Amino acid sequence: DVVMAQSPLSLPVTLGQPASISCRSSQSLVHSDGNTYLNWFQQRPGQAPRRLIYKVSNRDSGVPDRFSGSGSGTDFTLKISRVEADDVGVYYCMQGTQWPYTFGQGTNLDIK
Amino acid sequence: EVQLVESGGGLVQPGGSLRLSCAASGFTFSRNWMSWVRQVPGKGLEWVANIKEDGSDKYYVDSVKGRFTISRDNAKNSLYLQINSLRAEDTAVYYCVRPRGDYWGQGTLVTVSS
Repeated sequence: DVVMAQSPLSLPVTLGQPASISCRSSQSLVHSDGNTYLNWFQQRPGQAPRRLIYKVSNRDSGVPDRFSGSGSGTDFTLKISRVEADDVGVYYCMQGTQWPYTFGQGTNLDIK
Repeated sequence: EVQLVESGGGLVQPGGSLRLSCAASGFTFSRNWMSWVRQVPGKGLEWVANIKEDGSDKYYVDSVKGRFTISRDNAKNSLYLQINSLRAEDTAVYYCVRPRGDYWGQGTLVTVSS
């Protein structure tokens, strides 16, 4: 199985400051069709996960442009340019390239 | 508006069975792969099973093979998960999901305890 390793696991951030989460996969996430199926999810307390970014860097509809995704191969990053109070929650990377699909351990973002 | 509504969770004894259901609306269910994802309360996410549009292909994570069965009824826009031989470690919220990850239900809680 593809192991997804996130860091840090805990991320206290001051309001208005940037934040960055790293996600590394144990194998390349480039699919045979040429796409890289790396998604980022946000899960607020008591809610289902919500997809923010798909295929590495594509922002979902309604996601603020403060959120951006980048990376390639086995190394990926989610960046928030200016953290707002509404961003508190757990962030997961997830690979959909190889079955079984797998998630990172999650990064708990809170406000300092 | 897309809606995925799970039902069927509850408290069950170890070794017991449950059938989870997911009612889909707002998109063409029959043209989409569908999935179940679970989350132990307070813990991370695990992708459990996928099923092809017509039900002809199914994939399971190793931890549930032989005990879980994913199925669908496209005429009823419904997805199912039959869970047998339940174990304490199956206690989780089970989500109905489109495999792209863009559509999630609210989840249904399965608790396995004597």
